[in-house]
Amino acid sequence: DTEVTQTPKHLVMGMTNKKSLKCEQHMGHRAMYWYKQKAKKPPELMFVYSYEKLSINESVPSRFSPECPNSSLLNLHLHALQPEDSALYLCASSQDPLGVADTQYFGPGTRLTVL
Amino acid sequence: AQTVTQSQPEMSVQEAETVTLSCTYDTSESDYYLFWYKQPPSRQMILVIRQEAYKQQNATENRFSVNFQKAAKSFSLKISDSQLGDAAMYFCAYRKVDFGNEKLTFGTGTRLTIIP
Repeated sequence: DTEVTQTPKHLVMGMTNKKSLKCEQHMGHRAMYWYKQKAKKPPELMFVYSYEKLSINESVPSRFSPECPNSSLLNLHLHALQPEDSALYLCASSQDPLGVADTQYFGPGTRLTVL
Repeated sequence: AQTVTQSQPEMSVQEAETVTLSCTYDTSESDYYLFWYKQPPSRQMILVIRQEAYKQQNATENRFSVNFQKAAKSFSLKISDSQLGDAAMYFCAYRKVDFGNEKLTFGTGTRLTIIP
C-alpha cells in the first residue's frame, strides 16, 4: 500500500485567513515533503522533513509554515497568502531519507485558491 | 546543477498503439536514479517506473518500459498497447545518489493524449 492522503481536496481562502493543509501516511515512511505545483508546470519542492525534523526549506516565504507533529502527519499552515499562491499543493513521502535510493510517493493534492 | 529536459510538450497516440516519450538530463554524477511519474487529470502523481543508473538492464513494468542510454544521458519511456487510462501528464525526474539528499529534479512534462 503506497497511500498518501491529503485534506482538504479544495480550499478557498481570503488573504487575511489562516488555514491548514493536512497530509497523512501510514506506510512507516520517515521523510515527508511539500510541493507546490502551478498549472502545466512540474512540482516545485518547498519543504522536506526527515525523521520529523525540517531538513530542507527551499527559501519559502514565512506565510507558509510547515509542521510535522509525528512521523505519520505533516501539516502546512497558511497565513496572509497572496493570490499568486494559488496552486496545487502536493504532499509526498518516502521510506528512508538517509538511504541511497529513496522513492517518493505522492498524495492527490489540495487545490488552493486565494482570493 | 542537474537539469532534466522533456522536449515534447504534447504527444498523442491511437489506442492500442505504442508511444515513446523522450527525456534527457544533464549531470556530472556517475550514479543516480531516474523516474517517470504520471499525473492524470485527477492530479495525483503516480510512480510509473524507476531506473538505477548503475544497472545496464532497462527497467520494465508491465506495458511500460524505458530505454536508458547512460552515455547519451537519455531516458525515454515506451508505453505499449496504449489505453485510455494512460492519458496524463508524464514527468521525468532525476535524483542523485546521496545520503540524505532527497531532492527530485523534474522535467517540464509531456501531455499524452490517447485517441480512441
